[in-house]
Amino acid sequence: DVQMTQSPSNLAASPGESVSINCKARKSISKYLAWYQQKPGKVNKLLIYSGSTLQSGTPSRFSGSGSGTDFTLTIRNLEPEDFGLYYCQQHNEYPLTFGSGTKLEIK
Amino acid sequence: EVQLVESGGGLVQPGTSLKLSCVASGFTFSDSWMSWVRQTPGKTMEWIGDIKYDGSYTNYAPSLKNRFTISRDNAKSTLYLQMSNVRSEDTATYFCTRTHGFNYFDYWGQGVMVTVSS
Repeated sequence: DVQMTQSPSNLAASPGESVSINCKARKSISKYLAWYQQKPGKVNKLLIYSGSTLQSGTPSRFSGSGSGTDFTLTIRNLEPEDFGLYYCQQHNEYPLTFGSGTKLEIK
Repeated sequence: EVQLVESGGGLVQPGTSLKLSCVASGFTFSDSWMSWVRQTPGKTMEWIGDIKYDGSYTNYAPSLKNRFTISRDNAKSTLYLQMSNVRSEDTATYFCTRTHGFNYFDYWGQGVMVTVSS
């Protein structure tokens, strides 16, 4: 299995700030990494796939970068609705695996 | 609008079986790979497995393949997860997802809770 290490576990920031969440794969997954957002009372949302491709409807303040083993989700100019739990997931090989999650909170 | 609605969860005793269902709408179910994903109370997310659009092929997480079975009924636009010999560590929220051909999950259900306890 490809173990995914996500950091930090928790992150606090203020609206208007920028934050980055990191995801590291134990071995190369090429560009095949997805990012999801989870918020209470809402269905989970795919934000980015294939490392940097924004899913339709994802605001442009979200961006993804990286390839191989190291990936980053960056959120610029945080909006109040961006606070929640974020997960990375490798979609390069079976079994599909997730990072441990990052909780983004309001400072 | 895409909708995935899971049902069938609840409190079950260890060693018993449970079948979850997911009714899909808003897209062509019979053209779509589908997956089950679960999230533990500690928020760990785990892929359970997926099934090809025609039901002819499945993949599973190695640790679960002997106890969990994924199936589908395209006439009813319904995905199933049969769980057998459940254990306390199966306590989780179970999500039905549509799986893109490149193995990411572009639509999710709201999830259904399963609690395994005596």
